[in-house]
Amino acid sequence: KAGVTQTPRYLIKTRGQQVTLSCSPISGHRSVSWYQQTPGQGLQFLFEYFSETQRNKGNFPGRFSGRQFSNSRSEMNVSTLELGDSALYLCASSFQGGNNEQFFGPGTRLTVL
Amino acid sequence: QKEVEQNSGPLSVPEGAIASLNCTYSDRGSQSFFWYRQYSGKSPELIMFIYSNGDKEDGRFTAQLNKASQYVSLLIRDSQPSDSATYLCAALRYTGNQFYFGTGTSLTVIP
Repeated sequence: KAGVTQTPRYLIKTRGQQVTLSCSPISGHRSVSWYQQTPGQGLQFLFEYFSETQRNKGNFPGRFSGRQFSNSRSEMNVSTLELGDSALYLCASSFQGGNNEQFFGPGTRLTVL
Repeated sequence: QKEVEQNSGPLSVPEGAIASLNCTYSDRGSQSFFWYRQYSGKSPELIMFIYSNGDKEDGRFTAQLNKASQYVSLLIRDSQPSDSATYLCAALRYTGNQFYFGTGTSLTVIP
């Protein structure tokens, strides 16, 4: 069974630009969660999508948004990029969220200059 | 105060020893707890989870949960150099279905 895939793996953007990251979950998984990982803050929850609906949202500004498609693939978008948005963005899929085991993708390394 | 706190380490143990990793959480609404291992440059992978008070064993790993003290730990017996990684503790609050991660403890097993 193929794992979680994320594209692109690396991105370099400048302040003020916007970016879209993509995540394809494991086949059959309906829950996709997004996390931001930085050395100082660790893994921070952004949001979770289940069956095309945002089910939960972390404490991030509205510049961070996402969506999920009918095939469970998910995208997250960050608008008006700031230097502090430089991080590793990880998505994790699970069958239906909750106690179900989450499987993480390899991440997208975003650098904002 | 962060939802989940871990000692960032680094923690060094000799090969074959027991490594003890600790985690505290602040939200009593958290009901399940997860330990992930993350190798440098890689994504986290689940080691085990626990939701009942007491111990849960899986091979060389034992997770311990004490809800009264809001404390979770992970013991790694017979530590191997391949166990050298950052260990992340996470708490799941069912209300909101949200995971909170600690910043991780870096473990080095010395051959």
